[in-house]
Amino acid sequence: GAGVSQSPSNKVTEKGKDVELRCDPISGHTALYWYRQSLGQGLEFLIYFQGNSAPDKSGLPSDRFSAERTGGSVSTLTIQRTQQEDSAVYLCASSLIFGYEQYFGPGTRLTVT
Amino acid sequence: AQSVTQLDSQVPVFEEAPVELRCNYSSSVSVYLFWYVQYPNQGLQLLLKYLSGSTLVKGINGFEAEFNKSQTSFHLRKPSVHISDTAEYFCAVTTYEGSQGNLIFGKGTKLSVKP
Repeated sequence: GAGVSQSPSNKVTEKGKDVELRCDPISGHTALYWYRQSLGQGLEFLIYFQGNSAPDKSGLPSDRFSAERTGGSVSTLTIQRTQQEDSAVYLCASSLIFGYEQYFGPGTRLTVT
Repeated sequence: AQSVTQLDSQVPVFEEAPVELRCNYSSSVSVYLFWYVQYPNQGLQLLLKYLSGSTLVKGINGFEAEFNKSQTSFHLRKPSVHISDTAEYFCAVTTYEGSQGNLIFGKGTKLSVKP
């Protein structure tokens, strides 16, 4: 079946612009996770959803970052007023239910110029 | 809090040789352990997992790992590697106990298989 999909695969944006990254989880998966992968920081956890709810947003790097999930399916990660340090690969993962193994999408490579 | 240490950032090895990628973790509660592989410009693919039961876990592509609670290790092994195994390998831990269920990753080990 279809895996986790993410769009766009690549995004180049100017400093100060807003960007939206999309994640489409595996059908039927109720838990969804966002991670960030960068050279300096490795793989960092950002936020997770159980259904449409994100119980803890403390992993988000700053208040410029926000995420939502609608209909228990698609999720959007929004970065406002992008900075160069936001440049990274943003990975989305989903699992059947909270606590099961996570399946990752191909990622969105964000470059802020 | 949990943490993961991958002791080798790069491991070069010749084709058909055995390989071991080392992973140690730190946690005050019971953990679940995973190995993921990342090929260039791709996402993470689950290689194998330890949740409970037998401490020797077999995964895809001929890889296996052994959970050693006393040494807090979860080393990944393959008896004979192929060129196609060249990739970056990540060890990860989670607890699912009063946590967010997120994975804590090591820094990764780049496996380079040479002909």
